Amino acid sequence: QSVLTQPPSVSGAPGQRVTISCTGSSSNIGAGYDVHWYQQLPGTAPKLLIYDNSNRPSGVPDRFSGSKSGTSASLAITGLQAEDEADYYCQSFDSSLSAYYVFGTGTKVTVL
Amino acid sequence: EVQLVESGGGLVQPGGSLRLSCAASGFTFNIYWMSWVRQAPGKGLEWVANIKQDGSEKYYVDSVKGRFTISRDNAKNSLYLQLNSLRAEDTAVYYCARDVGRIVGALRRDYWGQGTLVTVSS
Repeated sequence: QSVLTQPPSVSGAPGQRVTISCTGSSSNIGAGYDVHWYQQLPGTAPKLLIYDNSNRPSGVPDRFSGSKSGTSASLAITGLQAEDEADYYCQSFDSSLSAYYVFGTGTKVTVL
Repeated sequence: EVQLVESGGGLVQPGGSLRLSCAASGFTFNIYWMSWVRQAPGKGLEWVANIKQDGSEKYYVDSVKGRFTISRDNAKNSLYLQLNSLRAEDTAVYYCARDVGRIVGALRRDYWGQGTLVTVSS
C-alpha cells in the first residue's frame, strides 16, 4: 500500500489544463524530501518527467510543471495533448516506513 | 545513448528462485546507484531495492528482505536481482533503473529498462 495518495483519474479536453495532486505526510514530503514525477505511456516503461519538485529533464516539454507545498505536491499539464494520455506517478523518500522510496498510487490522465 | 536491458524473467513455481540481470550501456556504470522497481499486472509502481556504486550499501523494501538480493558487477556493467522463496504476490514486471541525486534521500530513477516479467504460479 502506497503512502503517497493520488487521484485515480483526471481528464480534460485538448488544450485544457489539468493538475494531479500527490498527498504525503510528515515522514516523506512534509519532511522536506524531494518529489519526482514519472509518466508511463501504455505498454511502456516509466519515464522521468519532473525531478526535485519542479525541474524538467532535457526534452520534457514546458507544458509539464511541478510544485510542492507542505505535505503535498502537484503536477500540472497545460495545453493538454492526446499524447499526454498516460499514467502518472509521484515518488519521494520516506524515513519511517518499510520502503525507502515510495511511489504514489498513480493517476490515469484521459484526453477527452 | 543510455540503455538498460533486463533479462531472466519467466514462469516459476511458488517457493522457487530466479535471477534477473540488467545489462547497462551508454554511461559510466560504476558511478551510479542502481535500482529495481516492479509493477504487478494492472497495478502501480513499487520500488524493490537499490545498490550503491561499489556495492557497499544495499536497501530493500520490507516485503522482499531476506528473500531477494541485489548485486552488481561493475566490470561487466551489469546489475542483478536474485529472487528466492518466490510468492504469487511477487508476480510483476521488474524494471532496472539508474538512480541519480545529491544524496540517498533524493535519488530518482532517470533511465529505465523495458522490464522483464516474472510470473509466480503453480
